[in-house]
Amino acid sequence: QLQLQESGPGLVKPSETLSLTCTVSGGSISSSSYYWGWIRQPPGKGLEWIGSIYYSGSTNYNPSLKSRVTTSVDTSKNQFSLKLSSVTAADTAIYYCVRSTGGRFDPWGQGTLVTVSS
Amino acid sequence: DIQMTQSPSSLSASVGDRVTITCRASQTISNYLNWYQQKPGKAPKLLIYAASSLQSGVPSRFSGSGSGTDFTLTISSLQPEDFATYFCQQSYSTPFTFGQGTKLEIK
Repeated sequence: QLQLQESGPGLVKPSETLSLTCTVSGGSISSSSYYWGWIRQPPGKGLEWIGSIYYSGSTNYNPSLKSRVTTSVDTSKNQFSLKLSSVTAADTAIYYCVRSTGGRFDPWGQGTLVTVSS
Repeated sequence: DIQMTQSPSSLSASVGDRVTITCRASQTISNYLNWYQQKPGKAPKLLIYAASSLQSGVPSRFSGSGSGTDFTLTISSLQPEDFATYFCQQSYSTPFTFGQGTKLEIK
């Protein structure tokens, strides 16, 4: 069955760039049926959609983060990635990678906590 | 952005109870409404999509209804494993947005 796994640093300094990678197993990221996305959740709080990317590279971002977000796909490694620049403490959250079908999200990675602190 | 508002924010219930959670959209979203369950320390799990379609593998005690702006998630007979937080999410237009969550606790 399809599985997603996030990886990347758990601690990022303020003003630096957060970088995460999601590795997809049990299926191809090049499937024409799906987008691949990122969602975050500050500890104890709600869920925020960050953005989604198609295997061809087409993207869609949340306008609230668009100026700081970059996503990419590496089909040879069956991975997709997130970069969030100029981070502050407000970007501290659990970051999830997801598969998106028509805007619904399933499955989810287990999530990775990224803390922004000096 | 489309605002999603859930009620109640928290709910106490007993095993065997029938429970209903409501989600309201700030504008019409047709049936582009999804429900997720999140247990502590775990990622959310898709339960219901397109307002009323049960995701594969989800028990039939979960059901969803609604269209337009008002939606409900119903659990027909609460089981111990159902105590969790539930989120609604609209997939009508980007940015996709979530409700604030409803925490279902044991009475």
